[in-house]
Amino acid sequence: EVQLVQSGPEVKKSGESLKISCKGSGYSFSTHWIGWVRQMSGKGLEWMGMIYPGDSDTRYSPSFQGQVTISADKSVSTTYLQWSSLKASDTAIYYCARRNTGGGGYWLDPWGQGTLVTVSS
Amino acid sequence: QSVLTQPPSVSGAPGQRVTLSCTGSSSNIGAGYDVHWYQQLPGTAPKLLIYDNSNRPSGVPDRFSGSKSGTSASLAITGLQAEDEAEYYCQSYDISLSGLLFGGGTKLTVL
Repeated sequence: EVQLVQSGPEVKKSGESLKISCKGSGYSFSTHWIGWVRQMSGKGLEWMGMIYPGDSDTRYSPSFQGQVTISADKSVSTTYLQWSSLKASDTAIYYCARRNTGGGGYWLDPWGQGTLVTVSS
Repeated sequence: QSVLTQPPSVSGAPGQRVTLSCTGSSSNIGAGYDVHWYQQLPGTAPKLLIYDNSNRPSGVPDRFSGSKSGTSASLAITGLQAEDEAEYYCQSYDISLSGLLFGGGTKLTVL
């Protein structure tokens, strides 16, 4: 079974750093892009960026470029999303998902269970 | 413009048919990129419902169907059931973003 399992909920203070993880299993981890998606409370889904674990090629949404860092360690089939200095506005659920390719674009499946990040000021 | 527009809410009675729309532009759907749909039940992660405009992953009931025309796409749900009450998101690829783009989501209420 293809599965993505994310790290647990985090409670942090503004200005602190954080790294959350997403571990893949049941498929060739190195050969599939993994995307990260933000969902703020009561809001919609926002694509943040994605990484190809095979060579760590990374792409960011313009809205998130410079705000977060996406990385991967293919030796442990894990991708990471990190912040160097959290803000209260980073409070959200963060999902990872595997990118799949079709004839005319990409879709995300499966999804991790989500990681709730709460940042207090 | 990098936007996929969905109506905030739709509703229908059990057994009825509802249609959810997703309108894009020449930088995404209109450029020929496929549309995909996700269902998000309350308190859970999104789940893929339709990929490549009209294909259902294994396990998704055939009550769900998708289509695409021009710069728009639609998700149709027939034989509405209480368990279909959820948020539905469309998604495509956007040239300007060089990445994935989600619609704002539609909240489906089963009356």
